Amino acid sequence: IVLTQSPDTLSLSPGERATLSCRASQAVDNSHLVWYQQKPGQPPRLLMSEASNRAAGIPDRFSGLGSETEFTLTIARLEPEDSAVYYCQQFRVSPLTFGQGTKVEIK
Amino acid sequence: QVQLHESGPGLVRPSETLSLTCSLSGGSINSGSHYWGWVRQHSGKGPEWIGYIHRTGSTYYNPFLGSRITLSVDNSKSEFSLRLTSVTAADTAVYFCARTFSTSYYFFDLWGQGTRVTVSS
Repeated sequence: IVLTQSPDTLSLSPGERATLSCRASQAVDNSHLVWYQQKPGQPPRLLMSEASNRAAGIPDRFSGLGSETEFTLTIARLEPEDSAVYYCQQFRVSPLTFGQGTKVEIK
Repeated sequence: QVQLHESGPGLVRPSETLSLTCSLSGGSINSGSHYWGWVRQHSGKGPEWIGYIHRTGSTYYNPFLGSRITLSVDNSKSEFSLRLTSVTAADTAVYFCARTFSTSYYFFDLWGQGTRVTVSS
């Protein structure tokens, strides 16, 4: 399953809302889609499981939605520490696959 | 605090074999509740799943590496390892070891810091 993320880069100001998209080439039920956040020089950090369940310690300004082939990660009120690359990953079908990432820049 | 830490050579010559080890601290591979995997990431690209292994030795590989990849586990040392043969420049990447959330949910909730591997003569 190919995951295509858009946009490649999102440049927004603090306090603004970010909407990131992950589109799957085949249906992925929402229980098999997760999101990660990765900052430079760090490993990916689990952000959201089952498309909409925040991982431990993830603030509630992060939310996820979606089903089948369209998934969205929303950051409600951007803060400077949200600057990172965000990846989706599916595990409905082997091999596990990741999207190419969306870079969120804070102006 | 459960942690993973990768170790291995940072430089490997083309056609040779890359061997990496991941050490688990603060926990036990013997719990059997997780798979232990490897993910690599080329510079500026998305992560790429290599494979994972259970404490029982059951392995699952991404087909793109073919027969070049072998994972192994040493429960007594709480370590698991990757062996990649016949490396080329295309294998230059940061390699992460990681733990799956469970044996049914194959996403990664614990990661090592990663080790950069360069394939060059």
